[in-house]
Amino acid sequence: KAGVTQTPRYLIKTRGQQVTLSCSPISGHRSVSWYQQTPGQGLQFLFEYFSETQRNKGNFPGRFSGRQFSNSRSEMNVSTLELGDSALYLCASSLVAGGNTGELFFGEGSRLTVL
Amino acid sequence: TQLLEQSPQFLSIQEGENLTVYCNSSSVFSSLQWYRQEPGEGPVLLVTVVTGGEVKKLKRLTFQFGDARKDSSLHITAAQPGDTGLYLCAGARPGAQKLVFGQGTRLTINP
Repeated sequence: KAGVTQTPRYLIKTRGQQVTLSCSPISGHRSVSWYQQTPGQGLQFLFEYFSETQRNKGNFPGRFSGRQFSNSRSEMNVSTLELGDSALYLCASSLVAGGNTGELFFGEGSRLTVL
Repeated sequence: TQLLEQSPQFLSIQEGENLTVYCNSSSVFSSLQWYRQEPGEGPVLLVTVVTGGEVKKLKRLTFQFGDARKDSSLHITAAQPGDTGLYLCAGARPGAQKLVFGQGTRLTINP
C-alpha cells in the first residue's frame, strides 16, 4: 500500500512569509502527527490529529497550526516565518491515536529553508 | 534537557566492528522504539520493546530494554556500510499520548 506522502519536498521562503505543508497518511490511518527535525534539537513534536481533532500539541508558538480533513489528510501552516523555522518537517501516520505503542510511519519530509 | 539522552551522538567505525548505542532516561517508559533514518528519508521503525529486560534480535541488531524500563541499548554485530544512518530512540511514558524522541546517534560504517 502507498506510504505517507508529503508535499512539497523542498521549499524556500523568506522571513515573514507563511507556508503550508501537506501530508497524506497511509490509507486507513486516522492519526497524523507532525514533527520538526533540526540538527540541534532532533525530532520535536508539533501536534497530532485524529479524526479531524487535535489531540495533542507540543511546545511551539501559535504561529504553527494544523488541521485534518475528513479523508485524514493533514496540513500544517507556519505563519510569519523566522530563520529558526528552517528544518525538515516530518509527518507520521498511525493506526492508533497517541502513538503509545503503535508504529509511526513517516513520510520523507518537507525541507523548509527560510532566508 | 532531553527526556531521552542518546549516546554517542556520532560514531564512525570500520566495517566488521561491533558497536553499542545507548538511550537513557531518568523516567520510566511504557515502551521504547528504535528507528533508523537514512539521508533524504523519514525514520523507519526497527523494533518496539515493552517489557523490562526484554531482548529482541533483528539479524545483526540486538535491542534491550532496561529492567527498570528507563533505558535501552542497540548493539550491532559486524557492522556493514548499509547500517549507516541516524538511529533514533523514542519512548512512550505511562499515560502520555505522544512519543518523545532522543536526539539520535549518527552512525557511519566505513568500508
